[in-house]
Amino acid sequence: EVQLVESGGGLVQPGRSLRLSCTTSGFTFGDYTMNWVRQAPGKGLEWVGFIRSRPYGGTTEYAASVKARFTISRDDSKSIAYLQMNSLKTEDTAVYYCSREEYLYYDSSGYYPLGHWGQGTLVTVSP
Amino acid sequence: QSVLTQPPSASETPGQRVTISCSGSSSNIGSHTVTWYQQLPGTAPKLLIYSNNQRPSGVPDRFSGSKSVTSASLAISGLQSEDEADYYCAAWDDSLNAWVFGGGTKVTV
Repeated sequence: EVQLVESGGGLVQPGRSLRLSCTTSGFTFGDYTMNWVRQAPGKGLEWVGFIRSRPYGGTTEYAASVKARFTISRDDSKSIAYLQMNSLKTEDTAVYYCSREEYLYYDSSGYYPLGHWGQGTLVTVSP
Repeated sequence: QSVLTQPPSASETPGQRVTISCSGSSSNIGSHTVTWYQQLPGTAPKLLIYSNNQRPSGVPDRFSGSKSVTSASLAISGLQSEDEADYYCAAWDDSLNAWVFGGGTKVTV
């Protein structure tokens, strides 16, 4: 069974840093692109970024709102994805979900839907 | 403001049909397939429709999706109380180099 479990959330002051982890099991982690998606309280979903699998370069892409402040990394030996968040702002307060792409069909563009999600971890940025 | 535009709410009585629209542009829906997610209260999102109109295993055929040029829609027929949820459309955007979501539509049965 595919499982994704986020951890590392909590209360942090503006300007500080926090690192989230996404611990996975039930699949070959190294074969998949991993995404982070967040949801502010009472708001909609916002994509944060992803890290491609090593066969596809292990490269990253980020939303404009977090670029240069957030960094996604992965440890394929431990099946864990990370989200390092620096210079946190109050508007970064949200539940952060990690998710795995689902390769249900071939897409020539290389972008696939998110088929498995963790339960989320709450990050609260407040003085 | 979300890049993809959805109505904030929709409601219908049990057994009826409801349709949710999702409007985008040439850089997202016009260039890539559309995905729909269902988010039940207090839970993580769940993949509902992929590649515009395909259902993952386990999703009832009451749910259907379609796409035309730069817009997409999700239809739920034979509405049931357990369909009360927030529904989000999503697509990759070539201009932003990012996944973009609609603002979400709250369906009330």
